[in-house]
Amino acid sequence: AQSVTQLDSHVSVSEGTPVLLRCNYSSSYSPSLFWYVQHPNKGLQLLLKYTSAATLVKGINGFEAEFKKSETSFHLTKPSAHMSDAAEYFCVVSDRTGGSYIPTFGRGTSLIVHP
Amino acid sequence: EPEVTQTPSHQVTQMGQEVILRCVPISNHLYFYWYRQILGQKVEFLVSFYNNEISEKSEIFDDQFSVERPDGSNFTLKIRSTKLEDSAMYFCASSSAGPRSSYNSPLHFGNGTRLTVT
Repeated sequence: AQSVTQLDSHVSVSEGTPVLLRCNYSSSYSPSLFWYVQHPNKGLQLLLKYTSAATLVKGINGFEAEFKKSETSFHLTKPSAHMSDAAEYFCVVSDRTGGSYIPTFGRGTSLIVHP
Repeated sequence: EPEVTQTPSHQVTQMGQEVILRCVPISNHLYFYWYRQILGQKVEFLVSFYNNEISEKSEIFDDQFSVERPDGSNFTLKIRSTKLEDSAMYFCASSSAGPRSSYNSPLHFGNGTRLTVT
């Protein structure tokens, strides 16, 4: 069975400082991993994805994530936060469980950016 | 960039009534999904759909729920006899590769329909 844990429900940073949103996963197979962002009253937008290619994945808006199999982690980072990054972020894991890939969401991390 | 569209954005209904949530997936996608997010809780998988039939469904997706692709563009979720606990944000998603594909294509989501059952 697959599962994903987002370790922080809220992360608060100042504008211009680094962002770290943590995600750990559990998977029986080689998983695919995704980060999605949800701005208020908007849908879920794909930030980046890992599908067994390069372990350091670059996404949109300056975000990147590193797949670390030994730590079962897929943390999302950004060197410098912008006010527009304030949103809810979801880590998603998908592996071939029972013959199907059904993406499973973490609980989400709310990123708060202070001026 | 093509996108998934959902209507209505907000639906209010009385307990016991039936609701239909509508989605227009990306035109060349063949795999469709419904997820829901109860306020303050995680995003939960409901059902996936391919080739005019359900391919996977969760425990949440019981006889109260049904999905349909009535024409070439719409994908609907029907909830019969709504309950208070059905109040949630419902997200439709589509992808170009399906749940049983060896290539795991990301899901493209709509903006959601907020369902409020009173």
